[in-house]
Amino acid sequence: DTAVSQTPKYLVTQMGNDKSIKCEQNLGHDTMYWYKQDSKKFLKIMFSYNNKELIINETVPNRFSPKSPDKAHLNLHINSLELGDSAVYFCASSQESWLAGGRAQNIQYFGAGTRLSVL
Amino acid sequence: AQKVTQAQTEISVVEKEDVTLDCVYETRDTTYYLFWYKQPPSGELVFLIRRNSFDEQNEISGRYSWNFQKSTSSFNFTITASQVVDSAVYFCALRSSNTGKLIFGQGTTLQVKP
Repeated sequence: DTAVSQTPKYLVTQMGNDKSIKCEQNLGHDTMYWYKQDSKKFLKIMFSYNNKELIINETVPNRFSPKSPDKAHLNLHINSLELGDSAVYFCASSQESWLAGGRAQNIQYFGAGTRLSVL
Repeated sequence: AQKVTQAQTEISVVEKEDVTLDCVYETRDTTYYLFWYKQPPSGELVFLIRRNSFDEQNEISGRYSWNFQKSTSSFNFTITASQVVDSAVYFCALRSSNTGKLIFGQGTTLQVKP
């Protein structure tokens, strides 16, 4: 069973279109993230949600809107796509709050990535 | 400011050689976590290790070992007897105890030739 799954794996679209990427985790984690990896492989965080609450919002254009319907899902919607949005987008999840009887792991597990190509 | 520097952009070795990937970090936090991730050619990001700032014990896992030195703000990763399957991009990352975000280094591309 895939722990963190993203769909679709590949997304090819025209400039100006609106698209969504979905992410689901079955690890029971309380926190989810979106990262962007550019063409030079540099990884940078975009957003983070903890129990459906937005806790990290880096300097990202407001064309990008995350949505977390529940703590197991974090979707990313992108409006008016631009050429510069072409990248690989990674979803991740981690357990941040203290677990009963144990310590929080704070380890982020990543999905396989979604390669977005804007033409 | 928090920063992670992986000065080696690309390393090429022949199979069975040992190789060390360098990672230097900057943070003002007293409590923080350091990570290594592997990104093979297939593209996924695979967690390798987490180390917290108050545990400077070195760690060995099979052919992999990690050397954490707070005095030099370094968290280096050594692969012993490298194999072709070790070919990947390796990322070092820093996480503050206050925020959940990972600050990644630029990555080191390791190529292991047969």
